[in-house]
Amino acid sequence: GAVVSQHPSRVICKSGTSVKIECRSLDFQATTMFWYRQFPKQSLMLMATSNEGSKATYEQGVEKDKFLINHASLTLSTLTVTSAHPEDSSFYICSASTFGSYQETQYFGPGTRLLVL
Amino acid sequence: AQSVTQPDIHITVSEGASLELRCNYSYGATPYLFWYVQSPGQGLQLLLKYFSGDTLVQGIKGFEAEFKRSQSSFNLRKPSVHWSDAAEYFCAVGASYNNNDMRFGAGTRLTVKP
Repeated sequence: GAVVSQHPSRVICKSGTSVKIECRSLDFQATTMFWYRQFPKQSLMLMATSNEGSKATYEQGVEKDKFLINHASLTLSTLTVTSAHPEDSSFYICSASTFGSYQETQYFGPGTRLLVL
Repeated sequence: AQSVTQPDIHITVSEGASLELRCNYSYGATPYLFWYVQSPGQGLQLLLKYFSGDTLVQGIKGFEAEFKRSQSSFNLRKPSVHWSDAAEYFCAVGASYNNNDMRFGAGTRLTVKP
């Protein structure tokens, strides 16, 4: 159980275009999903937290107009990188958990590698 | 806010040797502690977690970790390393009031020599 998928696994796009990444919880309902960014050989940096049906909460320094997050259902959250630039190239990882349980664990997706040319 | 430090950026051990990866956390209340493993180009897999109770926690793949409050540590151990254990290991700490607020250490890259 507790499987989280991401699609696509990797994407290459041209500078200036937008890219959408999907995160799905396959066998549980995720009231909270998280989006992380990981640079090569570095740790995960939390970008934003999204709760189903409400606006995402962004970490300091993360541009909410550039990284649009939609958590439309209990099993799906999307991250859209708008007007992507080469510096947005990174490994994006989502995770999902069930809010309300203080002993809940985040389950991570396999990640999406974005390369902006 | 909570934080976590992994002092060792890179560790190399021989196959069959024992392993200990260090993790120190900073948090004013009782933390929720996690170890994750990440293979190249992959997401994170949960190895084990500590919320309360027995301070020695058993995880998957033969790993264990011990919570030591007096040392603010949660070191990961394995008695005999396999070549397949080569990966990046991340320690993470969650706040007791909201376990969803989780912070990661910088990671320790494990290389296993044949």
